[in-house]
Amino acid sequence: NAGVMQNPRHLVRRRGQEARLRCSPMKGHSHVYWYRQLPEEGLKFMVYLQKENIIDESGMPKERFSAEFPKEGPSILRIQQVVRGDSAAYFCASSATVAGDSPLHFGNGTRLTVT
Amino acid sequence: AQSVTQPDIHITVSEGASLELRCNYSYGATPYLFWYVQSPGQGLQLLLKYFSGDTLVQGIKGFEAEFKRSQSSFNLRKPSVHWSDAAEYFCAVGPPAGTASKLTFGTGTRLQVTL
Repeated sequence: NAGVMQNPRHLVRRRGQEARLRCSPMKGHSHVYWYRQLPEEGLKFMVYLQKENIIDESGMPKERFSAEFPKEGPSILRIQQVVRGDSAAYFCASSATVAGDSPLHFGNGTRLTVT
Repeated sequence: AQSVTQPDIHITVSEGASLELRCNYSYGATPYLFWYVQSPGQGLQLLLKYFSGDTLVQGIKGFEAEFKRSQSSFNLRKPSVHWSDAAEYFCAVGPPAGTASKLTFGTGTRLQVTL
C-alpha cells in the first residue's frame, strides 16, 4: 500500500519561473493538505482540498499560489513567478476522512530552491 | 487561536538514557494532539495521537505521551533512547470536531543521540 507520493523530490527554479508540485494521496484517501516548512520552522498549513474542491485555503498566499485536486490525477500546487522567499520544503498529506480522528499521512516533500 | 509551543529547540541525550520532549498547547477546548517525527530529508511520520479517554497514550517505536489538561501539556517520553531516534520531533494540535485540516505544528525539537 503505497504512501503519499510527491514529486519531484527536489526542484530548482530561477526567479520568475513557475513551479509545479505534485502529490498523489494514499489509496482510498480523498482529502489532501499542503503544508510549507521554512528552514528551522515548523509546518505551516496552506490549503485543504477534496476532489475537485478547495475546502480551506486560509493559509495560501493571496497571489501567485494556487492548488487543485482534479477528479483524475494528482493534486497540484502551483507557484507562479517564484521568488527567493518561496524556497522551502512543501509537504503534502492525505487523510481518509475529514473527522478529527483521521490522522494525516505525509509524503517526503518537495524541496524547492529558487535561485 | 490555537498554538503549540515546544520550548526545547535542541536536546542531546546519551543512548540508553530516558527522554522527555515538552509540548504545551493553547486551545479553547480539549484538542486532538499528535506527535510526529521527521528524519532528515523525509516527511513526517505519526508517532502517536490523543483524542479522548486514557490520558497516557502509547505510540510506535516505544514512545508514549501523557495528556495533562491542567498543564495544557502533551509531553513525549521514551524510557531508553536508541541512536536511530535522532530526528526532529513535532507536536501538533487539531480541532476536536470536523476538519483535520487545521493542524497547528510546533517549531520542533531536534534530538541528538550520543553513543
